[in-house]
Amino acid sequence: DAKTTQPNSMESNEEEPVHLPCNHSTISGTDYIHWYRQLPSQGPEYVIHGLTSNVNNRMASLAIAEDRKSSTLILHRATLRDAAVYYCILRDGPGGKLIFGQGTELSVKP
Amino acid sequence: GAVVSQHPSWVICKSGTSVKIECRSLDFQATTMFWYRQFPKQSLMLMATSNEGSKATYEQGVEKDKFLINHASLTLSTLTVTSAHPEDSSFYICSARGGVGIQYFGAGTRLSVL
Repeated sequence: DAKTTQPNSMESNEEEPVHLPCNHSTISGTDYIHWYRQLPSQGPEYVIHGLTSNVNNRMASLAIAEDRKSSTLILHRATLRDAAVYYCILRDGPGGKLIFGQGTELSVKP
Repeated sequence: GAVVSQHPSWVICKSGTSVKIECRSLDFQATTMFWYRQFPKQSLMLMATSNEGSKATYEQGVEKDKFLINHASLTLSTLTVTSAHPEDSSFYICSARGGVGIQYFGAGTRLSVL
């Protein structure tokens, strides 16, 4: 499985945008970029995913570099409830497995 | 969004006993479900993939005779930890694959083996 690299931790202020980076230089053409987040003592929650084009949904935006070797998850206005570990995962097609890395622990200050 | 229910949320058992954890997709059918475990301050580790009506596929290093997985219907998968020991204490999380390849996760089961 192709590997992703994320910062161990990031801090944000409440109501400000947050940009969470992810490097995936060995991504293959069939790999989808998935983002999940995990709040303390809970199961992960789907955030967003994409293949080549930028994606938006009610939770976040996903910006994918033109060469697909990196991506950025954008939370437009962070709230205290967004404090979680965010995982960037490459999945080989819709039938591939989700293999979790270490993720980025996001803390949000009031 | 799709809901995955996991039961129980917390279980304490004596060493040597077996524990069964249920995972249900409540509002969609899931031909494929996954089981993960997570130790404190660590990431999730995939244990096995279960497909409805067939044998589960275990990841390398996971004992299939210790972690029995059954996926008898399109909405239910179970994980049985047999002859549990203290080192099996962990947070077990199931997920079900929905449309477009998105995985929906249960809330997890915290297992404590005394």
